[in-house]
Amino acid sequence: GAVVSQHPSRVICKSGTSVKIECRSLDFQATTMFWYRQFPKQSLMLMATSNEGSKATYEQGVEKDKFLINHASLTLSTLTVTSAHPEDSSFYICSARLRQGDNYGYTFGSGTRLTVV
Amino acid sequence: AQSVTQPDIHITVSEGASLELRCNYSYGATPYLFWYVQSPGQGLQLLLKYFSGDTLVQGIKGFEAEFKRSQSSFNLRKPSVHWSDAAEYFCAVGLRSSASKIIFGSGTRLSIRP
Repeated sequence: GAVVSQHPSRVICKSGTSVKIECRSLDFQATTMFWYRQFPKQSLMLMATSNEGSKATYEQGVEKDKFLINHASLTLSTLTVTSAHPEDSSFYICSARLRQGDNYGYTFGSGTRLTVV
Repeated sequence: AQSVTQPDIHITVSEGASLELRCNYSYGATPYLFWYVQSPGQGLQLLLKYFSGDTLVQGIKGFEAEFKRSQSSFNLRKPSVHWSDAAEYFCAVGLRSSASKIIFGSGTRLSIRP
């Protein structure tokens, strides 16, 4: 159980276009999801926290107008990279938080490799 | 400020040898603690987690980790590594609250010597 599906796994887009990445919780409801960015050979950097039915909370230094997050349902969060540029090329990973008794667990999607040409 | 430190960037061990990956954290209270593994170009797989209780936690693939409050550490161990264990390993911590998010250490790349 607790599977998160992320799509697409790879995308190549032209500079100036927008790209949407989807993150779905398949067998549970996720009121909170997270979006991370990972540069080659580096760690995961939290970009934003996505809450169902409300605005996302962005980490310091992340442009909210460039990285649009929508969490319109309990099973789907989307990240749209607007007016993409080559420096936006990266590996993007989503995560969903789920309740486990009195605690919380975090499960991750398989990631999306974005290449902007 | 809250932080997670993995002091070893890259470790190479021989197949069959034991392994210990270090993780130290700086938090105001005992956080949730996790170890994840990532193969190249893939997402993250949870190896184990600590919420409370027994400080020695057993995970998948023969991994275990021990929470030591006095040292603010959560080191990952495996008694005998296999070539398939070669990957990137991330320690992560999160606050114990409904608003919790988790942050990651910088990762340790594990290579296995045949």
